[in-house]
Amino acid sequence: KAGVTQTPRYLIKTRGQQVTLSCSPISGHRSVSWYQQTPGQGLQFLFEYFSETQRNKGNFPGRFSGRQFSNSRSEMNVSTLELGDSALYLCASSFDREGSYTFGSGTRLTVV
Amino acid sequence: ILNVEQSPQSLHVQEGDSTNFTCSFPSSNFYALHWYRWETAKSPEALFVMTLNGDEKKKGRISATLNTKEGYSYLYIKGSQPEDSATYLCAFMEGRGSTLGRLYFGRGTQLTVWP
Repeated sequence: KAGVTQTPRYLIKTRGQQVTLSCSPISGHRSVSWYQQTPGQGLQFLFEYFSETQRNKGNFPGRFSGRQFSNSRSEMNVSTLELGDSALYLCASSFDREGSYTFGSGTRLTVV
Repeated sequence: ILNVEQSPQSLHVQEGDSTNFTCSFPSSNFYALHWYRWETAKSPEALFVMTLNGDEKKKGRISATLNTKEGYSYLYIKGSQPEDSATYLCAFMEGRGSTLGRLYFGRGTQLTVWP
């Protein structure tokens, strides 16, 4: 059974640019969440999508946005990149939001 | 701001030692407490999802207990092995409908097991 797939694995962008990250959940999983990890910080919640609707949003600026498609695949977009956006971005999927989450390998974003 | 605290921050043990870590979380609006293991260069892997006060879960040499009234969970590893070396994360989920699906993670306990 395929796991959660995130693309790309690594990304280098320049300040001011925008970036789109992709996440393909486990087949049948309807909930997709995004987390950010920066050095010295725990996993910080960005947002969660369930059945194509954003159900939860963390305390991040509006530059961070996302969406979920009918096949449950999700994308996360960050506009006007800042140096502080350099982080590991993890996607996780769950069947019903109540059970355990399966994480992808993450996208390592570096902003220079 | 909802705080989830884990202690200790790091732990070094010898192969064969038993060890335990603590996760503290709010005692109100509890829905679930998750434990994950995160090995270097891999993805976080789910260990347990605990939902009931007094719950105990076991998976091989790893077990966990839950006290929702006082807001803590313990993770135990019996007879640690070098392959147990990883960061162990706990995550709290609130019981309000609007916040289901959101996990509040602690910063983790980094375990190193020396052969």
